[in-house]
Amino acid sequence: QSALTQPASVSGSPGQSITISCTGTSSDVGGYNYVSWYQQHPGKAPKLMIYDVNNRPSGVSNRFSGSKSGNTASLTISGLQTEDEADYYCSSYTSSSTLVIFGGGTKLTVL
Amino acid sequence: EVQLVESGGGLVQPGGSLRLSCAGSGFTFSTYWMTWVRQAPGKGLEWVANIKQDGSEEYYVDSVKGRFTISRDNAKNSLYLQMNSLRAEDTAVYYCGRLLYGSGKRPNFDYWGQGTLVTVSS
Repeated sequence: QSALTQPASVSGSPGQSITISCTGTSSDVGGYNYVSWYQQHPGKAPKLMIYDVNNRPSGVSNRFSGSKSGNTASLTISGLQTEDEADYYCSSYTSSSTLVIFGGGTKLTVL
Repeated sequence: EVQLVESGGGLVQPGGSLRLSCAGSGFTFSTYWMTWVRQAPGKGLEWVANIKQDGSEEYYVDSVKGRFTISRDNAKNSLYLQMNSLRAEDTAVYYCGRLLYGSGKRPNFDYWGQGTLVTVSS
């Protein structure tokens, strides 16, 4: 089972909006509304930012939003802040023999 | 406050075994699915295994099936990962995590430990 496909890097300026894509197949992203997004700062544990495509856990800023179209899920961060600079990973349930699959990660740079 | 604290990592030779532990506190451990996720040095996240609240269901990534076993002791609020026949490619930081309540098998890991490093090398 290959990892979900994410861009290696994206960048934006403070106050701007950016979108990170996550492309899978009909066996994972496209087949279920079970996509989550994680933020990871260097040397830290990941943090859940979005679950079930477009739900925010308690305490996560509403600047973070998720969506899905076909086999591609997206994470949008609006009003970029310097503290948003981190690695972002998508994850999906999969009907393959492996239950859960992650994307390769996207490094967000806030210029 | 929810806390997950891993232990048991270290250096092990190829073919060896290691048992990781994760102590949970600040929540009713027995009512949550739990997970192990790993991250090789400088690489991305890889899901390893999930276990249901009562231990009656276990799921593994293909690369560890038959070698790793996830288990839990709800009386001790503890999660375990028994790793046998270790390979160099198993070298990673191993995180234990809790699944968001009601998530079942969905990849909604809402709390994570700080991780424990496993190094497989001769």
